[in-house]
Amino acid sequence: EVQLVESGGGLVKPGGSLRLSCAASGFTFSSHTMNWVRQAPGKGLEWVSSISSTSSYIHHADSVKGRFTISRDNAKNSLYLQMNSLRAEDTAVYYCARDGILIPAAGLFDYWGQGSLVTVSS
Amino acid sequence: DIQMTQSPSSLSASVGDRVTITCQASQDISNYLNWYQQKPGKAPKLLIYDASNLETGVPSRFSGSGSGTKFTFTISSLQPEDIGTYYCQQYHNLPITFGQGTRLEIK
Repeated sequence: EVQLVESGGGLVKPGGSLRLSCAASGFTFSSHTMNWVRQAPGKGLEWVSSISSTSSYIHHADSVKGRFTISRDNAKNSLYLQMNSLRAEDTAVYYCARDGILIPAAGLFDYWGQGSLVTVSS
Repeated sequence: DIQMTQSPSSLSASVGDRVTITCQASQDISNYLNWYQQKPGKAPKLLIYDASNLETGVPSRFSGSGSGTKFTFTISSLQPEDIGTYYCQQYHNLPITFGQGTRLEIK
């Protein structure tokens, strides 16, 4: 059974940093592009970042470029999102999502984690 | 960026009704269009991929159609468990973008 479990969310002050993790199991993690998608309270879904299976292709939304960094450790079946210079508008539930198509940055999100809430507030 | 516009933004229907949601892309995205269902407090769930393909395990009352810029999502006979918010999403170009969502309620 495919499982994605996020952790690392919490309350952080504006300008602060946080690192999210996503532990994957039940599939060959090293074969799939992985993504972060976020959802601000009461709002819609926003794609944040994607990383290909071998980390060769990395993409970030313009809204987080230069502040967020996606990475992965295939030996640990883990995905990460390092978030720096956090702003109030980054407050959201952050989901990790598996790409079901085995090409870089395809965009078919077939499995999602339960989400991790990040709150940026003073 | 490709803008995805869903309509309506909310709708209320009775059990057994046929429900239709439309999604329009700001440019041609071929069939690179997915539909997701999100129930309150839960993660989104993939229902339809590549505009018209039913994800494994999803009930056959859900369907999708369209290509290019206009797409349709249909529930043939609404069930109580179908309440939630539905999103279309394009993956023709980066950045991947979602529609604003359609909130579905039972009358």
